[in-house]
Amino acid sequence: KNEVEQSPQNLTAQEGEFITINCSYSVGISALHWLQQHPGGGIVSLFMLSSGKKKHGRLIATINIQEKHSSLHITASHPRDSAVYICAVRPGGGADGLTFGKGTHLIIQP
Amino acid sequence: ETGVTQSPTHLIKTRGQQVTLRCSSQSGHNTVSWYQQALGQGPQFIFQYYREEENGRGNFPPRFSGLQFPNYSSELNVNALELDDSALYLCASQMVGVPDTQYFGPGTRLTVL
Repeated sequence: KNEVEQSPQNLTAQEGEFITINCSYSVGISALHWLQQHPGGGIVSLFMLSSGKKKHGRLIATINIQEKHSSLHITASHPRDSAVYICAVRPGGGADGLTFGKGTHLIIQP
Repeated sequence: ETGVTQSPTHLIKTRGQQVTLRCSSQSGHNTVSWYQQALGQGPQFIFQYYREEENGRGNFPPRFSGLQFPNYSSELNVNALELDDSALYLCASQMVGVPDTQYFGPGTRLTVL
């Protein structure tokens, strides 16, 4: 059974701090997604990774396939970054849908 | 904007009733997946449709069924509603030629009383 574990579950930080959210998974995957969910439900896809590192603005995502681990970093955090960040993986083989972590609830205080 | 819409936004039903939730994607999104997200939890995969056929299913009973239509819309049907079916239901579509990029709809909040 594929498990996706995220840490921390909750994170409160001050504006400007460097944020790291971690994700570990237990089976071989074809892709890993980082998603952002705001109150009310809407989910936005931030990154899709199968290897290495991706950067978009102040967001950086890395993945280590051998260690089955990924991190999402936010530089110069801002209150508008406050949201739930979710890691999701697609097991190798493709048609089983994404397996999601429970999410990390991030609050950035001004 | 993801180009994926869902209706209705909110819905209240009673135990034992049946419900149909709808998802509409942009042209070219030939794969759609449905997820159930209970409060405080990550989404759980219900099933996936590709070219109007179910081609993957999670651990959900047969009373959860779906349809996908040629106009890139789809439905999730739930029969014999139970209290535990109360959740946010999300659909996500995938565009032809853009591997594994998921476009999520805003979700339908279902409450079963």
